[in-house]
Amino acid sequence: QVQLVQSGAEVKKPGASVKVSCRASGYMFTDYYIHWVRQAPGQGLEWMGRVNPNSGGTNFAQKFQGRVSMTGDTSISTTYMDLRRLTSDDTAVYYCARAASGSAYYSDYWGQGTLVTVSS
Amino acid sequence: DIQMTQSPSSLSASVGDRVTIACRASQTISSYLNWYQQKPGKAPKLLIYAASTLQSGVPSRFSGSGSRTEFTLTISSLQPEDFATYFCQQSYSSPPTFGGGTKVEI
Repeated sequence: QVQLVQSGAEVKKPGASVKVSCRASGYMFTDYYIHWVRQAPGQGLEWMGRVNPNSGGTNFAQKFQGRVSMTGDTSISTTYMDLRRLTSDDTAVYYCARAASGSAYYSDYWGQGTLVTVSS
Repeated sequence: DIQMTQSPSSLSASVGDRVTIACRASQTISSYLNWYQQKPGKAPKLLIYAASTLQSGVPSRFSGSGSRTEFTLTISSLQPEDFATYFCQQSYSSPPTFGGGTKVEI
């Protein structure tokens, strides 16, 4: 069965960077884009960007341009989301999610989420 | 960016009730509208895509309708496990954007 398993919770200081991983299983890893979506405490869902694990191509939301990178390692079916220059506004649960139908902008399977807390 | 507006933001209902949630897009999105259910501490779960197509495994009491800018999610007979927050999302253009959510409470 399709599974996305994310790395554990992180606590970071303002100005630091965080790298969250997402390991996929149960399907052909290179056939589906991975989206990254975040959710601040008690808030809604915010799309950050997506990565094509096959080509490494990425698309990011304007808000995160220059501060985020997304990469994939096909040898271990894992994608990574790296967010730099963290502020308290980046405190959120970060989800990876598989793009439905390969490259669609909606997702049929989601990781369990990774809580990133930014605090001095 | 396309703005998605859901209404109401919360509602109270009882088991067996028919529940309808509305979602409006700031511009036409054809039928590129999806619905997710999220329970506390859990990841969102895809319920409906392309406005009215039920995701595999989702109970038939869930249905979606609409096109262009106006959409609805209907739960025909609310079950105890349906108490959750529901989000709409447009996948018509990048960036994909979500509605603010509708919390369905007892």
